[in-house]
Amino acid sequence: AQSVTQLDSHVSVSEGTPVLLRCNYSSSYSPSLFWYVQHPNKGLQLLLKYTSAATLVKGINGFEAEFKKSETSFHLTKPSAHMSDAAEYFCVVSDRQTGANNLFFGTGTRLTVIP
Amino acid sequence: ETGVTQSPTHLIKTRGQQVTLRCSSQSGHNTVSWYQQALGQGPQFIFQYYREEENGRGNFPPRFSGLQFPNYSSELNVNALELDDSALYLCASRWAASGQETQYFGPGTRLLVL
Repeated sequence: AQSVTQLDSHVSVSEGTPVLLRCNYSSSYSPSLFWYVQHPNKGLQLLLKYTSAATLVKGINGFEAEFKKSETSFHLTKPSAHMSDAAEYFCVVSDRQTGANNLFFGTGTRLTVIP
Repeated sequence: ETGVTQSPTHLIKTRGQQVTLRCSSQSGHNTVSWYQQALGQGPQFIFQYYREEENGRGNFPPRFSGLQFPNYSSELNVNALELDDSALYLCASRWAASGQETQYFGPGTRLLVL
């Protein structure tokens, strides 16, 4: 079975400081992993995805994530937070077992950026 | 913009009623999935349609049903609405080809059941 655990429900950082959002996954198969961002009253936007290529994945808006199989982790980082980064972030694993590629979402991490 | 649209944006229904939510996928996307996002939670997979047939379902009862049409539009129907059905409903579309796993989400329909 596929699942993800987001270790922090809320993260608060100052503008210009690094961002770390933590995610651990569980998968019986080689997983596909994603990070999505959800701004208030807007749809989910894909930040980046890992699909068994390079373990360090670069995404949009300066975000990146590293797939660590030994730690079953896929943490999201950004060197310097901007006010516009304040949003809800979801770590997601794809169900490749059935071939349907259904997505399993974590419970989300709300990022607050302090001016 | 993902090219996926949903209607209506907001909807209020009463318990026991039926509701139909609509989604228009990106042109060429042959797969559409529906998700329910309760307040403060991550989205949960309801079901997926591929070439107009359901080919995957999450832990949702049969009163949740769907349709997919050849013109890249789709519907989510919920019968006998319950208070717990109040949520944001998201559709996502993709092209089901090798390596094409990225799903593109619409902005959602917020349903309130009173």
